[in-house]
Amino acid sequence: ETGVTQTPRHLVMGMTNKKSLKCEQHLGHNAMYWYKQSAKKPLELMFVYNFKEQTENNSVPSRFSPECPNSSHLFLHLHTLQPEDSALYLCASSRELASEREQFFGPGTRLTVL
Amino acid sequence: AQSVAQPEDQVNVAEGNPLTVKCTYSVSGNPYLFWYVQYPNRGLQFLLKYITGDNLVKGSYGFEAEFNKSQTSFHLKKPSALVSDSALYFCAVRPLTGGGNKLTFGTGTQLKVEL
Repeated sequence: ETGVTQTPRHLVMGMTNKKSLKCEQHLGHNAMYWYKQSAKKPLELMFVYNFKEQTENNSVPSRFSPECPNSSHLFLHLHTLQPEDSALYLCASSRELASEREQFFGPGTRLTVL
Repeated sequence: AQSVAQPEDQVNVAEGNPLTVKCTYSVSGNPYLFWYVQYPNRGLQFLLKYITGDNLVKGSYGFEAEFNKSQTSFHLKKPSALVSDSALYFCAVRPLTGGGNKLTFGTGTQLKVEL
């Protein structure tokens, strides 16, 4: 295992629901990331946090709201999603934001929006 | 803007044969290059990276990759494929300077190793 856990692993929600995805890393890393993975498309970086501070929002719709209470935990709050938001959502962490650092990924949450 | 191209959606190889998964990139300045592998129902796992130095980089599970600056390529190779190597492989690039914190990924290549 990579040391990054995500819950839940699967989530089905209606367009009017509110749900949250959770990510936890046990690696002592300082940077955390949310990605969206859709079939046949490159991974899309959504948000970046460094020492709990958001450093990047990659033009993500406001129906996705991240939260990083500490360097070990990252949440993605979801509300009024659309069917096209169905995808695998991956959390990752790295020791720091430096370009040469590899990222460690969690197993992902498979989200289906009905 | 940086980009990565993985020209093959799928690569089929017989077990025991050498394998190559292709990757070309575009980035301003010098690149950091990465390969990740994704097994079914799992997240991405880091395989290897090129930062500087020797153009031939060795990584996990017997994989290696060769950085070719003139051809802007970073192909993944393994001398003898195993059935257990069957997975989805992603190439990624990040500029050495600038570019923010964005790691740009390719669309992935499905590797299928058959007996």
